[in-house]
Amino acid sequence: DTEVTQTPKHLVMGMTNKKSLKCEQHMGHRAMYWYKQKAKKPPELMFVYSYEKLSINESVPSRFSPECPNSSLLNLHLHALQPEDSALYLCASSKQGDSYEQYFGPGTRLTVT
Amino acid sequence: AQSVAQPEDQVNVAEGNPLTVKCTYSVSGNPYLFWYVQYPNRGLQFLLKYITGDNLVKGSYGFEAEFNKSQTSFHLKKPSALVSDSALYFCAVRDQGNFNKFYFGSGTKLNVKP
Repeated sequence: DTEVTQTPKHLVMGMTNKKSLKCEQHMGHRAMYWYKQKAKKPPELMFVYSYEKLSINESVPSRFSPECPNSSLLNLHLHALQPEDSALYLCASSKQGDSYEQYFGPGTRLTVT
Repeated sequence: AQSVAQPEDQVNVAEGNPLTVKCTYSVSGNPYLFWYVQYPNRGLQFLLKYITGDNLVKGSYGFEAEFNKSQTSFHLKKPSALVSDSALYFCAVRDQGNFNKFYFGSGTKLNVKP
């Protein structure tokens, strides 16, 4: 199984809502990532979890809150988002080590109204 | 600091012709380089990587890439393009201090015309 799954596929939320994005992998990868991607732009790294501990936070606003409940799951909790947060949110995973590639999920298309 | 550059926003090629998507890198030591492809409204798919060894790397879907240390380049190539190769291509380099961090190029839109 070389798949990373993400739910939901699409999400529309108002600026006062609270919602969560979910990511799951069963490849035994111990590094998991959240990226934000705007149209026709490269992915921007948001957070990295390594062995279920937050290892990188790229100065992301606190309205985004990541969580890694176990080695297979990664959540991104959203609260009080702004319209400029509308984007494709990608989850990825990889083995630990410098020669390993990332596997990406299909993404969640988020629209903030 | 590490970085990669993709000098072309768009590449147009006719089906059946060879294609090249360019990538140059800037790293202080030995680079770990990757190519990914993204189809519309999808996540990125890994194509190939250079870690060490043979400068010609073969990957998925008939793609290959040539690592050139003197020119600091890692261009993606395919001998015969297919219309289905039309997509957005990203080159990436791994951070040498933190291997969980990657730097992506700006992306190149490949258009293959029938």
